[in-house]
Amino acid sequence: QVQLQESGPGMVKPSQTLSLTCTVSGGSISRGGYYWSWIRQHPGKGLEWIGYIYYRGRTYYNPSLKSRLAISVDTSKNQFSLKLSSVTAADTAVYYCARYRGQQLDYWGQGTLVTVSS
Amino acid sequence: QSVLTQSPSVSAAPGQKVTISCSGSSSNIGNNYVSWYRQLPGTAPKLLIYENNERPSGIPDRFSGSKSGTSATLGITGLQTGDEADYYCGTWDSSLSSWVFGGGTKLTVL
Repeated sequence: QVQLQESGPGMVKPSQTLSLTCTVSGGSISRGGYYWSWIRQHPGKGLEWIGYIYYRGRTYYNPSLKSRLAISVDTSKNQFSLKLSSVTAADTAVYYCARYRGQQLDYWGQGTLVTVSS
Repeated sequence: QSVLTQSPSVSAAPGQKVTISCSGSSSNIGNNYVSWYRQLPGTAPKLLIYENNERPSGIPDRFSGSKSGTSATLGITGLQTGDEADYYCGTWDSSLSSWVFGGGTKLTVL
């Protein structure tokens, strides 16, 4: 059973960079056919897709976040990471990592709340 | 404003059936698979339906999905109080080159 777990600071100051890591267990991140994804949910709102990465490094980003976004993968640690720069209060959200297979998100992490505040 | 349109809320009595709709366009639902997710309060979303009408292992057959043209529908029969949750549709949008979600539908079981 694949499991994903987000980790990172729960609070980030405005204008700084939000950094999160997702650790995958129960399966290799290098197995072909899967993309490794980030999704966020603003408080009381719906889901917003951030982007995803293939283990070989190919990325797809939400166009609205692309200029501030970097997703990377570390196959040796079975992890992938999110960096979102120049954050504002509008980036306060629960951030989820998930596995994308075919055209669905089949396994999700439990989510981590990141608050942008000085 | 979400690319995929869902009704904000729906309600029904225990034991009844409910349908939740998701409307899009030819660049998303019309030419790609739709999946559905259930988010119980305070928890992460969970995959309910994939490839329009397929259920992952462990999802009961009370849940069903369908797609016609640029719209998709999630059906839930034999409603239980434990089905109270937010339900989201999702698909790839070929024009945006982006995954898109519906705005979510809150199901209340009265």
